[in-house]
Amino acid sequence: NAGVTQTPKFRVLKTGQSMTLLCAQDMNHEYMYWYRQDPGMGLRLIHYSVGEGTTAKGEVPDGYNVSRLKKQNFLLGLESAAPSQTSVYFCASSGEETQYFGPGTRLLVL
Amino acid sequence: RKEVEQDPGPFNVPEGATVAFNCTYSNSASQSFFWYRQDCRKEPKLLMSVYSSGNEDGRFTAQLNRASQYISLLIRDSKLSDSATYLCVVNIPTGNTPLVFGKGTRLSVIA
Repeated sequence: NAGVTQTPKFRVLKTGQSMTLLCAQDMNHEYMYWYRQDPGMGLRLIHYSVGEGTTAKGEVPDGYNVSRLKKQNFLLGLESAAPSQTSVYFCASSGEETQYFGPGTRLLVL
Repeated sequence: RKEVEQDPGPFNVPEGATVAFNCTYSNSASQSFFWYRQDCRKEPKLLMSVYSSGNEDGRFTAQLNRASQYISLLIRDSKLSDSATYLCVVNIPTGNTPLVFGKGTRLSVIA
């Protein structure tokens, strides 16, 4: 039982490049989330999903897209990376309300 | 008023001390409250849920005051291993964010 896993753990991008972050959970949770965490800003919700095939915007969705084709996976895409997207990205999943987080992806956009 | 507010700290306390954190929330309709712990460069992890009647888990006690819209976390007999950032988390019944995380209060327990 791995819980929530994220790949990659670390990535460096150049401005304008694209990439996809993968989140996987093995707890059969309906809800999945993508957050970013920046110094002094706390955790901010980017997008979330309440079930397979659904997505919804969070607090800071601009510049990101998501897909939930399978219940266990939640993908976060950056179509054209910008330096402002340099951050630590956390994925989480939940059943009722308690959220379980993955270990994070550190992204640096140059 | 921000949805969830915490004193950022840092709180620097000696081992064995008792320390308390407070957190205020703005939405009176909120029903679920949590404390998470986040170690440096790690993911947040649930420390405890906060119930209306208050609850205790070993050295940790959480309390909720609905009238004043704040929750608290008390840590007794602090250990070095308690050093971390403590995040106050509140559900928001309306809006586009199911749970709102406070920015966290940093605790350093010193030998």
